[in-house]
Amino acid sequence: AQSVAQPEDQVNVAEGNPLTVKCTYSVSGNPYLFWYVQYPNRGLQFLLKYITGDNLVKGSYGFEAEFNKSQTSFHLKKPSALVSDSALYFCAVSFLKGDMRFGAGTRLTVKP
Amino acid sequence: NAGVTQTPKFQVLKTGQSMTLQCAQDMNHEYMSWYRQDPGMGLRLIHYSVGAGITDQGEVPNGYNVSRSTTEDFPLRLLSAAPSQTSVYFCASSYGGASSYNEQFFGPGTRLTVL
Repeated sequence: AQSVAQPEDQVNVAEGNPLTVKCTYSVSGNPYLFWYVQYPNRGLQFLLKYITGDNLVKGSYGFEAEFNKSQTSFHLKKPSALVSDSALYFCAVSFLKGDMRFGAGTRLTVKP
Repeated sequence: NAGVTQTPKFQVLKTGQSMTLQCAQDMNHEYMSWYRQDPGMGLRLIHYSVGAGITDQGEVPNGYNVSRSTTEDFPLRLLSAAPSQTSVYFCASSYGGASSYNEQFFGPGTRLTVL
């Protein structure tokens, strides 16, 4: 089955330090991978996506993600975390028109 | 543009009652979807549509019906509410086109409690 997994429920980092939120995928064929962020009591907001091409994808708010085919991973990264980055982050995969599946989410907490 | 709108924001139902969650978008997006969000389970796809008159089932379709008579609207119907349907429901839409893998735009959500 086409799916993504987020192995960490919670990630804690100090402000100014680099952050990584992990995602692995299981897809037959070419994966189309996404990252979304959810702030409290809000809907999800798109951060970035990988369709094809460069393995390093840059997105909104200084986030980037690295697609690694051999490790079937699509980890979200940011060089220097901000307190305002604290939120719930979701990895997602799309494999059919209109059909997108999400991971369970990772709660990122950035401490001052 | 209002984007994706959902009504109501909050709803409390009794077991066995029926209701319709409304979703509308003004971006002329072909694709629309309904998700439910439960703690520790992320978002799970209920139903989706790739255009007016076309709907399909997602991961957890049981107990829910949808229809898509216009491009703008995609209502979700709960036929006979159960406590297991207590959740936060999100509607989303995206542009279709030649590239079918476009980012989704989400509504603000409906928090549903079934007693």
